[in-house]
Amino acid sequence: RKEVEQDPGPFNVPEGATVAFNCTYSNSASQSFFWYRQDCRKEPKLLMSVYSSGNEDGRFTAQLNRASQYISLLIRDSKLSDSATYLCVVNVVGSTLGRLYFGRGTQLTVWP
Amino acid sequence: NAGVMQNPRHLVRRRGQEARLRCSPMKGHSHVYWYRQLPEEGLKFMVYLQKENIIDESGMPKERFSAEFPKEGPSILRIQQVVRGDSAAYFCASSPPTSIGELFFGEGSRLTVL
Repeated sequence: RKEVEQDPGPFNVPEGATVAFNCTYSNSASQSFFWYRQDCRKEPKLLMSVYSSGNEDGRFTAQLNRASQYISLLIRDSKLSDSATYLCVVNVVGSTLGRLYFGRGTQLTVWP
Repeated sequence: NAGVMQNPRHLVRRRGQEARLRCSPMKGHSHVYWYRQLPEEGLKFMVYLQKENIIDESGMPKERFSAEFPKEGPSILRIQQVVRGDSAAYFCASSPPTSIGELFFGEGSRLTVL
């Protein structure tokens, strides 16, 4: 079983739409959670950390449900520039700090 | 450019040859990680190094792969006797000592094995 599972998509939405991505993780010892963004044939970049209380950064909202081992990302008012692959990422207690487990990613295309 | 620098960006090798990938971390970062991204797969951890030390190599294939981060110079990921299955994007990342999860990635080295 994979550490991190994501719906690969693709999600195709018009500009201005709201879109939500989900992710589940298998290891209950997971301690830190993140969303990274990866543009086509580029490197991953940290989008935001995910905190237990949920957190928001502009148009982006991340939620964590530890009981269900579930993470979500909500993007409001989608922009063309949001088109990318969104990677759900976790770190596990006891593992090397920078040893991250990446999901395969969810592909988003925003069209005009 | 103060970011993570990787070279070469693209590398083509024939089966049985050696591939050497180099990575210079961001200024002030002493922790280097190598990840591999196979086609249609998520990134997979390979190895974590600090200067002159391999801290965690549990993600490295047992044979043909090695990594180092010498006192002077870049970190090197070395793949001996490459096979077609080694074709992938190899990403290097660095972080400051206290970071949990925020890794700064280089643009990657794309290896193609013919």
